[in-house]
Amino acid sequence: AQTVTQSQPEMSVQEAETVTLSCTYDTSESDYYLFWYKQPPSRQMILVIRQEAYKQQNATENRFSVNFQKAAKSFSLKISDSQLGDAAMYFCAYRDSNYQLIWGAGTKLIIKP
Amino acid sequence: DTGVSQNPRHKITKRGQNVTFRCDPISEHNRLYWYRQTLGQGPEFLTYFQNEAQLEKSRLLSDRFSAERPKGSFSTLEIQRTEQGDSAMYLCGTPGQGPPGELFFGEGSRLTVL
Repeated sequence: AQTVTQSQPEMSVQEAETVTLSCTYDTSESDYYLFWYKQPPSRQMILVIRQEAYKQQNATENRFSVNFQKAAKSFSLKISDSQLGDAAMYFCAYRDSNYQLIWGAGTKLIIKP
Repeated sequence: DTGVSQNPRHKITKRGQNVTFRCDPISEHNRLYWYRQTLGQGPEFLTYFQNEAQLEKSRLLSDRFSAERPKGSFSTLEIQRTEQGDSAMYLCGTPGQGPPGELFFGEGSRLTVL
């Protein structure tokens, strides 16, 4: 069975600096999707960025980028120029061939002003 | 606005009571998912629908849980004889129009069982 591990329960970063959130996963599949979702306090879960496993190029969305290492089964999220609005729980998720999302336990990101 | 509305947003109930949550996708989506999220954890899959057909149920979904999606539009999740362990956020999600896999979630329905 697939698993997703986020080893950092909490991370903090100074406003305007860069932070990297870690995620590793385990699967025997070769074709899958990986996602980072953001859940602000008392707000809904929203998609931050996605990565298709067959693409070697790392996905980028404005200040958010990933470091996808397929062989190592690693999928980290880098947030550049951190802003106060980035404070949230961040969840890494794996989508399997049945379209099921398997989630990590999350990393709480704190932005220090 | 992700196009998914859930209500009630928060339900407080006594142990043993029945509760029902509703999910209304604004746009037509053939797939609809229910997840449960306990405090400090990521969401856990409960069940999903393809149109009105319930195609998969997690073993987390005990006999006290039932979900329906009549007419393939809105969906309801009912919990009978609630237990304190049912206290959680219940999330509903539907696929977006983009590449497969991503889900758009509602704001969730938080259940507190006293």
